[in-house]
Amino acid sequence: EVQLWESGGGLVQPGGSLRLSCAASGFTFSSYAMSWVRQAPGKGLEWISGISANTPSTYYADSVQGRFTISRDNSKNTLYLQMNSLRADDTAVYYCAKMTTGTTSPIGYWGQGTLVTVSS
Amino acid sequence: DIVMTQSPDSLAVSLGERATINCKSSQSVLYNSNNQNYLAWYQHKVGQPPKLLIYYASTRESGVPDRFSASGSGTDFTLSISSLQAEDVAVYYCQQYYNTRQAFGGGTKVEIK
Repeated sequence: EVQLWESGGGLVQPGGSLRLSCAASGFTFSSYAMSWVRQAPGKGLEWISGISANTPSTYYADSVQGRFTISRDNSKNTLYLQMNSLRADDTAVYYCAKMTTGTTSPIGYWGQGTLVTVSS
Repeated sequence: DIVMTQSPDSLAVSLGERATINCKSSQSVLYNSNNQNYLAWYQHKVGQPPKLLIYYASTRESGVPDRFSASGSGTDFTLSISSLQAEDVAVYYCQQYYNTRQAFGGGTKVEIK
């Protein structure tokens, strides 16, 4: 059974940093592209970043480009999202997501999400 | 970047009636090499992660009831629920995965009338 477990969310001040982790199990992690998707309170889903399976290429939405960094450790079956220069509008539930294959494939599985609140 | 636009923002449908949601992409998501539209639909219920319903614009994911159907090509797509059930109350999103910089539509909230 595919399982994705996000951690690292919490309350952070504007301008601060946070690193999210996503522990994956139940599939061959190194064979699949992964993404982060967020949902701000009362808003819709927003794809923010993706990473390919091996020798990873990374992709970002304009809203996070230059502030967030996606990475993965295939030896630890873990996906990361380093978030710097956080702003109030980054407040959201952040979902770890497993693509069905590569970076141009839909999202087959989602984690339960972790809440990030940016506030002073 | 490809921008996805859904309509309506919300709709209320009686139990057993049809619900129809529209999605438009700012450019074609039809991949010519395999003649597939890189368009997916998701269902998002309160308190749960989203769930993949449809991919390649019209292919139902395993286990999705056949009352869910979808169609369209190029830039215009539709998701239909043929006979709305109480458990179908959710927000529905289209998504393009034609680009590595993927994008979701704004969502359509489906409620019971």
